[in-house]
Amino acid sequence: GAVVSQHPSWVICKSGTSVKIECRSLDFQATTMFWYRQFPKQSLMLMATSNEGSKATYEQGVEKDKFLINHASLTLSTLTVTSAHPEDSSFYICSGTGDYGYTFGSGTRLTVV
Amino acid sequence: GNSVTQMEGPVTLSEEAFLTINCTYTATGYPSLFWYVQYPGEGLQLLLKATKADDKGSNKGFEATYRKETTSFHLEKGSVQVSDSAVYFCALGAQDTGRRALTFGSGTRLQVQP
Repeated sequence: GAVVSQHPSWVICKSGTSVKIECRSLDFQATTMFWYRQFPKQSLMLMATSNEGSKATYEQGVEKDKFLINHASLTLSTLTVTSAHPEDSSFYICSGTGDYGYTFGSGTRLTVV
Repeated sequence: GNSVTQMEGPVTLSEEAFLTINCTYTATGYPSLFWYVQYPGEGLQLLLKATKADDKGSNKGFEATYRKETTSFHLEKGSVQVSDSAVYFCALGAQDTGRRALTFGSGTRLQVQP
């Protein structure tokens, strides 16, 4: 079946630094990639939608200059959290869509100290 | 707009008990419906889905039937196991599935005790 490989699975960074999260579709072409954020014991909150080769569409309230999304190829999308702060600590999940429907990555636990 | 409402958790059951997690939705057109499961510290795994009215999705003993008349997609399992302990999300996909993100319910935590 379709697999989306998400890395890293967890990361700890200092305030003010940037962190990049990668999602790779291993056996399908992800024409669209969705990025979600999940707070403890809560549901997934859609942050942005990206289509290969196009600029991402951000949801209301999500700072596009802080959460940089790149979807340069059909198999790779990245989310960079710039100038991270403790309030950015969360669980980030990507989801790619292609011929197999929606496939989710395993998530990245970001802790900003 | 589209929305999904799930019963609040946590749901605590003894092993081999019957499970029902209610899910209702509001949507225009003919959405697809999904149940996802999330184990601690992990991403979401598709449990089952249904793409049209009266379809029944099933997997690993779990079942859900797409009821358009009641706009529901309740998750059921006849006999739960400790390993079923996880968070379950009901989700809705718009007609142009794939181009738009899924709409998720709030999630229901299931705890199965031995």
